[in-house]
Amino acid sequence: DIQMTQSPSSLSASVGDRVTITCRASQDIRNYLAWFQQRPGKAPKSLINAASSLQSGVPSKFSGSGSGTDFTLTISSLQPDDFATYYCQQYKSYPWTFGQGTKVEIK
Amino acid sequence: EVQLLASGGGLVQPGGSLRLSCAASAFSFSTYAMTWVRQAPGKGLEWVSTISGSGGTTYHADSVKGRFTISRDNSKNTLSLQMNSLRPEDTAVYYCVKHTGTTATTCDFWGQGTLVTVSS
Repeated sequence: DIQMTQSPSSLSASVGDRVTITCRASQDIRNYLAWFQQRPGKAPKSLINAASSLQSGVPSKFSGSGSGTDFTLTISSLQPDDFATYYCQQYKSYPWTFGQGTKVEIK
Repeated sequence: EVQLLASGGGLVQPGGSLRLSCAASAFSFSTYAMTWVRQAPGKGLEWVSTISGSGGTTYHADSVKGRFTISRDNSKNTLSLQMNSLRPEDTAVYYCVKHTGTTATTCDFWGQGTLVTVSS
């Protein structure tokens, strides 16, 4: 199975900050990488697929990059509703695997 | 607007069975692969099962293989997950998820989830 490792596991940031979350795959997954946002008590929401393509309706303050084994999610100018847990996921092959999550908290 | 309404969760004893359903609307259901993802209390996301649009191809996680079966009824726009021989470690919120296309794609919409609790 492909292992997905996110860093950091959590971070504290202020409204208006720019944050970057890293996701590393244990083998080459080309660009078969998705990012999800999960607010407390809510279902996950799809943000990005194919490493850098925004899902419909997702604001452009979210951006993704990377290919192969190393990927990043960047959120520019954090707003209160961006404080949530973010997950990466590979879909290069089954079984799908997710990163352990990165919790973005208010400083 | 796409809707995925999961139901069928509840409290069940270890060794018992439960059938989850997911009613889909506002998209061409048979065109898209569908998946179940679960989340144990306070934990991360875990992929469970995937089915192709036609229903002819399925995938299951090793942790549920032989116990869970994913299926779909395209005439009723319904996705199902039959869960047998349930274990305490199956306790989780189960999310019904729509793919962007075939089983080779990822997901773009998540339902609200249904809670399954396996306990005596």
